[in-house]
Amino acid sequence: GAVVSQHPSWVICKSGTSVKIECRSLDFQATTMFWYRQFPKQSLMLMATSNEGSKATYEQGVEKDKFLINHASLTLSTLTVTSAHPEDSSFYICSAFPPSSGHYNEQFFGPGTRLTVL
Amino acid sequence: RKEVEQDPGPFNVPEGATVAFNCTYSNSASQSFFWYRQDCRKEPKLLMSVYSSGNEDGRFTAQLNRASQYISLLIRDSKLSDSATYLCVVNIDTGTASKLTFGTGTRLQVTL
Repeated sequence: GAVVSQHPSWVICKSGTSVKIECRSLDFQATTMFWYRQFPKQSLMLMATSNEGSKATYEQGVEKDKFLINHASLTLSTLTVTSAHPEDSSFYICSAFPPSSGHYNEQFFGPGTRLTVL
Repeated sequence: RKEVEQDPGPFNVPEGATVAFNCTYSNSASQSFFWYRQDCRKEPKLLMSVYSSGNEDGRFTAQLNRASQYISLLIRDSKLSDSATYLCVVNIDTGTASKLTFGTGTRLQVTL
């Protein structure tokens, strides 16, 4: 199956700093990638849809100025958590699906990035 | 009301048991349905898609009832390795991309 990677797998940072998370599709091109966040014992919540070459689409309640998304190429999307605070500590997961497979097929998830803000 | 609702469990069952999970969804425009499995501190992985006619994959059987907006997953002959959280997921086509909505998951613990 298709492979999606994320980097870093975990990060610990001080409050107020910015953290960049990379999501790469390794063996296919993805015009669309998705960013999710999962707090302990809760479901994955879609934060935003990352679109190659255009602005990301953010879900209601997600601050676009705090969570900056850049989808500069067909294989890379980045999520930057700006001025991170302890409440931003969470498991961030990206996903993508090969565009040729249509809209209803499997999304492939990255392994996730665990962010801890001190 | 949550868009996708599941009983969080945990379901504690002995090895070899049959266990069933249920899920309901609120958006009648949902177009495709999945069960994902998530192990602790890992990403979700697709277990199986759910088709209107029902489908089976080895020990796993999924059913969909569109009229009741209800999805089920049946696991037969449970193995220790089946212990995980099972996520009910529905897909709504926004016109430009698929958008997955996840349930909170049902935790299964299979014991000796």
